[in-house]
Amino acid sequence: DTGVSQDPRHKITKRGQNVTFRCDPISEHNRLYWYRQTLGQGPEFLTYFQNEAQLEKSRLLSDRFSAERPKGSFSTLEIQRTEQGDSAMYLCASSLAEGGDTQYFGPGTRLTVL
Amino acid sequence: EDKVVQSPLSLVVHEGDTVTLNCSYEVTNFRSLLWYKQEKKAPTFLFMLTSSGIEKKSGRLSSILDKKELFSILNITATQTGDSAVYLCAIRYSGGGADGLTFGKGTHLIIQP
Repeated sequence: DTGVSQDPRHKITKRGQNVTFRCDPISEHNRLYWYRQTLGQGPEFLTYFQNEAQLEKSRLLSDRFSAERPKGSFSTLEIQRTEQGDSAMYLCASSLAEGGDTQYFGPGTRLTVL
Repeated sequence: EDKVVQSPLSLVVHEGDTVTLNCSYEVTNFRSLLWYKQEKKAPTFLFMLTSSGIEKKSGRLSSILDKKELFSILNITATQTGDSAVYLCAIRYSGGGADGLTFGKGTHLIIQP
């Protein structure tokens, strides 16, 4: 399978704990995006990378959210001091930089904060 | 304010019917409009539209963009139960520093046998 992969697929945590999610993009794609989706809503853009450079992070929901892509391949999204309102599906997508409007999504990580 | 508005929010039809889903948007520096299908998992790509009046087709699905009136429609003919899903419309626009997609709430389509 050469699509976007995400790990874990499901995460249950207690309020106040830190969580980290991983995304592996399609191999030739150098752009990587993170989105959050809550029930009944479309995905909400959080941040994106071109190679290892994080070009947009103002949409991250709070300073508890951070993302990295240290070698320009996989990326991680960390949420510190989780709150119940962080419960959602976290989606990763990737695209080519040239003509990269078409983004391909991974299966998502469903986070439940108790 | 919502930049992307989809209608209807939900729709129930019978197998074999034709449906039209609507997406209107309000942004400056528009670049592209994309349609995705989402079942109980990640959105899967259907179409990307950048030019007005050019219809894109894939099997029973087709879509067209009107950049003057700022809307797009997604048509599905001869619907099947497997078409049941949430259909998401998203736009990409320049400016504001963000380069991600802005999605509407989606249309939840249910096809009854």
